[in-house]
Amino acid sequence: EAGVTQFPSHSVIEKGQTVTLRCDPISGHDNLYWYRRVMGKEIKFLLHFVKESKQDESGMPNNRFLAERTGGTYSTLKVQPAELEDSGVYFCASRQTGYGYTFGSGTRLTVV
Amino acid sequence: AQSVTQLDSQVPVFEEAPVELRCNYSSSVSVYLFWYVQYPNQGLQLLLKYLSGSTLVKGINGFEAEFNKSQTSFHLRKPSVHISDTAEYFCAVSLTSGTYKYIFGTGTRLKVLA
Repeated sequence: EAGVTQFPSHSVIEKGQTVTLRCDPISGHDNLYWYRRVMGKEIKFLLHFVKESKQDESGMPNNRFLAERTGGTYSTLKVQPAELEDSGVYFCASRQTGYGYTFGSGTRLTVV
Repeated sequence: AQSVTQLDSQVPVFEEAPVELRCNYSSSVSVYLFWYVQYPNQGLQLLLKYLSGSTLVKGINGFEAEFNKSQTSFHLRKPSVHISDTAEYFCAVSLTSGTYKYIFGTGTRLKVLA
């Protein structure tokens, strides 16, 4: 079984540019989560999808962040325009209802 | 609201020595508790979890943790560490219903020395 795939693994962009992160969950997992770890701090929840619907987006930092989940399959997280404080590692995880999480390897975003 | 505290940001320990990584949490409602490990350039891997039942939980790679409700702790232990255990360890809690989103601690870097 393929795991949770995230790409790119690394991204370096200039302040003010746009970046789109992608997450491919495990097939059949209805639940998809995005988390972020800013350097030296805790991993923080961003949002939760069930299929294509946002169930909880209470962790989204501001309206520069837009998450979508097309047809309940893969998800994208767009940051537009990127700021320096957006740098960090973005993790995606998927979960079949009633079971535990599987995390991806993360995307390391550096905004310069 | 829930919170998780990992007081030790770094723990150095010699190979074959025992180790304990501390985790305390705060919550006014029941939570599930987890320990995750992250090896370099990899994702988060579940070590063990406490959902209910026995307070001593055994996980992968020889790790175990004990849930202590009165002290609101969930410390991770291993009786004898290996070089390969060098990694970052995260304690997390989630509510027992709803989104099951995690609240993580800040992580503890375990460095096993030869």
